[in-house]
Amino acid sequence: NAGVTQTPKFQVLKTGQSMTLQCAQDMNHNSMYWYRQDPGMGLRLIYYSASEGTTDKGEVPNGYNVSRLNKREFSLRLESAAPSQTSVYFCASSEIASNIQYFGAGTRLSVL
Amino acid sequence: AQSVTQPDIHITVSEGASLELRCNYSYGATPYLFWYVQSPGQGLQLLLKYFSGDTLVQGIKGFEAEFKRSQSSFNLRKPSVHWSDAAEYFCAVGANTGNQFYFGTGTSLTVIP
Repeated sequence: NAGVTQTPKFQVLKTGQSMTLQCAQDMNHNSMYWYRQDPGMGLRLIYYSASEGTTDKGEVPNGYNVSRLNKREFSLRLESAAPSQTSVYFCASSEIASNIQYFGAGTRLSVL
Repeated sequence: AQSVTQPDIHITVSEGASLELRCNYSYGATPYLFWYVQSPGQGLQLLLKYFSGDTLVQGIKGFEAEFKRSQSSFNLRKPSVHWSDAAEYFCAVGANTGNQFYFGTGTSLTVIP
């Protein structure tokens, strides 16, 4: 019972580099989310996908793109990383009927 | 605008003492309310939720929370804290559409022996 799996767990980038954070869930959930967590800021929603084939912006989408590859997978891409994107990134999934979010263990990203 | 306020950034309690973590929300419609716990280096785990009905809800690990609509509050309580409860606690509010959730900034709990 893996739940929500995020890869990688840690990543260090140089300013301007690109990378994709991967997220997969095995609970057959329709909705998936990407958050960033910064000290004193709580979790802020970057993008979400209410169902396969749809994505919507959250509170802090600038500098990010997402892809809902299929029902299981929801990736987050940083095209040109900036130091302000140093953060811990969490993926979550939920079933609309229950409204409960299940979180991955997070990806710790540092942009130098 | 929707928002969640957790006024206590950090709380320290003695093991065995009671605990109350505060949460106030601003939401235009009937809210769905949640408390999550995050241990160091881990993701968030759901403690309890309120959707409707009885305003006192029970969760895992002996936690409970009370929804007070008149005060726009959803405070988390535990009668007797254990050392293993030391963690970060987040209150969240969401819509019944399940499309967006708003989290508070968190309360860090330290438990002293």
